[in-house]
Amino acid sequence: DTGVSQDPRHKITKRGQNVTFRCDPISEHNRLYWYRQTLGQGPEFLTYFQNEAQLEKSRLLSDRFSAERPKGSFSTLEIQRTEQGDSAMYLCASSYRTGVETQYFGPGTRLLVL
Amino acid sequence: EDKVVQSPLSLVVHEGDTVTLNCSYEVTNFRSLLWYKQEKKAPTFLFMLTSSGIEKKSGRLSSILDKKELFSILNITATQTGDSAVYLCAVEGYGGSQGNLIFGKGTKLSVKP
Repeated sequence: DTGVSQDPRHKITKRGQNVTFRCDPISEHNRLYWYRQTLGQGPEFLTYFQNEAQLEKSRLLSDRFSAERPKGSFSTLEIQRTEQGDSAMYLCASSYRTGVETQYFGPGTRLLVL
Repeated sequence: EDKVVQSPLSLVVHEGDTVTLNCSYEVTNFRSLLWYKQEKKAPTFLFMLTSSGIEKKSGRLSSILDKKELFSILNITATQTGDSAVYLCAVEGYGGSQGNLIFGKGTKLSVKP
C-alpha cells in the first residue's frame, strides 16, 4: 500500500498523559499536514511541513502540541498533558507541491482522553 | 476570516435520485476548491477545481465552480446506497492560509434503498 499511513489507529489515554502519533506520507510527497477533526465537524488545520521545515502553525496548536518531521519523511505529533478536549480524530495528509496540489489523507488516529 | 459553508447539512434520498450539494466560500486570494468523500474514516479525494465554468466528471459525480459568485456544486446522479457518506468541501487560498485547507462542516448524505 503506497498511501498515507498513520499509527496508532486508536489511542485511549488518561488525562495528563503524553501521547505521540506517527504519520508516514506518500513517499515522493514533500508536504505533510496535520488536521484535527471532531464529531460533526470538518477537519481543522493544525500545522504543515515542507520537507523538514515547519512552515505554518494554526492558533489551534497550543503549547502542549508539538510536531516534527526530522528527515523530511515521516512526522510525529506529540500532545503533552492531554486534556479531555483533545479527544478527536487526528488526520495526516501529504501532497507534492507543484503549484496547485491535491492532499491525500491517511486513515487517522482516533484519540480518546478519559 | 476565511470560511466555507456547505448546504444542506444533511440530506436523505432514495436510490436513483439525483442530488446537488452546495458549497459557498469566502477566502483571501482563492487558489483551489476541493471535494472529498468521508465515510467512517479519512476523507478521500474527489475533485479539485480551479477555474470557473469547467465541469469535472467522474462516473455519476460531477462538480463545477463559479468564482464570481464564490460557490461550487457537487452533483450525484442515479444515487446508490454506497454514496452514503459525508461530503466535504475545502478551499485553499494564497497568503495567510496558503498550504492549508479550510473545510466546511460537510453534507451528510443518506441514500435509502
